[in-house]
Amino acid sequence: QSALTQPASVSGSPGQSITISCTGTSSDVGSYNLVSWYQQHPGKAPKLMIYEDTKRPSGVSDRFSGSKSGKTASLTISGLQAEDEADYYCCSYVAYRTLVFGGGTKLTVL
Amino acid sequence: EVQLVESGGGLVQPGGSLRLSCAASGFTFSSYWMSWVRQAPGKGLEWVANINQPGSENYYVDSVKGRFTISRDNAKNSLYLQMNSLRAEDTAVYYCARAPLFYLDYWGQGILVTVSS
Repeated sequence: QSALTQPASVSGSPGQSITISCTGTSSDVGSYNLVSWYQQHPGKAPKLMIYEDTKRPSGVSDRFSGSKSGKTASLTISGLQAEDEADYYCCSYVAYRTLVFGGGTKLTVL
Repeated sequence: EVQLVESGGGLVQPGGSLRLSCAASGFTFSSYWMSWVRQAPGKGLEWVANINQPGSENYYVDSVKGRFTISRDNAKNSLYLQMNSLRAEDTAVYYCARAPLFYLDYWGQGILVTVSS
């Protein structure tokens, strides 16, 4: 149950696009179409942004999109806004109904 | 509106026990898998445990196996986490979350557990 690998930080200017990567193994990210992404503002509970690699829950802005290639999943945020500044976590199904999170990425909007 | 409200946290000595509760409302609790996730101070998220709808299946992260027990009472719309043999490294905010499949779509506000002498 090793954590997925995410960059510690990314940054971008308002209006730009950024991508956060999430690298796993053939036992998790690479085996299932079951990566989810969560946004967490300081002192708040996480919020689901993407599930099943690419699906967006109702109410989540279409500026957020998910993709995956092999063992690496990605979250792309287009048209960056100040309110997007937060920590982002990826999560993958592993096996036997267990989950593993990435270490988290701090997004700074310059 | 889906609501998840945790309670039962606090300060406990190493080796002690604590029972967390999560009160669910706004959805048919008995129809969903449920999870506990924790976050140590200044650290990332860590999945802790899952339980199926009737409470007959449960799964844990290796670091809590044999010490923590997840359970539920569908009649009371409540989820529980019994934590025994607590260690300093169990200090964290604990979140309960609804797990429709293999993701977590609604989260509680979290409850702090501090293990310290």
